[in-house]
Amino acid sequence: QSVLTQPPSVSAAPGQRVTISCSGSSSNIGNNYVSWYQHVPGTAPKLLIYDNDKRPSGIPDRFSASKSGTSATLGITGLQTDDEADYYCGTWDSSVSLGGVFGGGTKVTVL
Amino acid sequence: EVQLVESGGGLVQPGGYLTLSCAVSGFSVSDSYMTWFRQAPGKGLEWVSIIYTGGSAFYADFVKGRFTISRDNSRNTVYLQMDSLRAEDTAVYHCARESYGSGSYYFDYWGQGTLVTVSS
Repeated sequence: QSVLTQPPSVSAAPGQRVTISCSGSSSNIGNNYVSWYQHVPGTAPKLLIYDNDKRPSGIPDRFSASKSGTSATLGITGLQTDDEADYYCGTWDSSVSLGGVFGGGTKVTVL
Repeated sequence: EVQLVESGGGLVQPGGYLTLSCAVSGFSVSDSYMTWFRQAPGKGLEWVSIIYTGGSAFYADFVKGRFTISRDNSRNTVYLQMDSLRAEDTAVYHCARESYGSGSYYFDYWGQGTLVTVSS
């Protein structure tokens, strides 16, 4: 039921690269900036990316993101065991005035 | 170091009430847009409420009239008073700060969450 569509899960071996897609529409991703969050259940979610492709201080450059049209993508290179978490994309939607909209989350498993 | 620590969750019967707290260190809640999110079991993040620096407060439709957000500047704490609780309010509740970059708003600091279970 989430406004933004993410794959439920992706997996890869340590050191490999994974990408997570986030699909929306012209009312949200198509006309707004995207942010990405990492969440290990039981801990505080962490901001990974804001304004489509900017990393906050302290986020390693192994994490990158891009946006094209009505979709966005998060990439993680040099996968580490600590990267095993749920990842969420978020943006704003012209039909939702507050709080923004999020994807349903993607579970990254490090094999 | 920035920290947001939620507390106040627990088991409550349908129709009951709870008040959640979000104690903040590292920045001032009075100078920030503070929000509450929730995550129901097996579901994604869902925005619940926001309180702006001027004190204006807004709510998601599914909690409007039942939940009230407030803050105590002296304690640097944000609260979420939840009344008339329903089973579908069962979730982990997170507080977060909303910030603005060069392009858009985003949520840069979060708490670890507190579990609210509504059940008889």
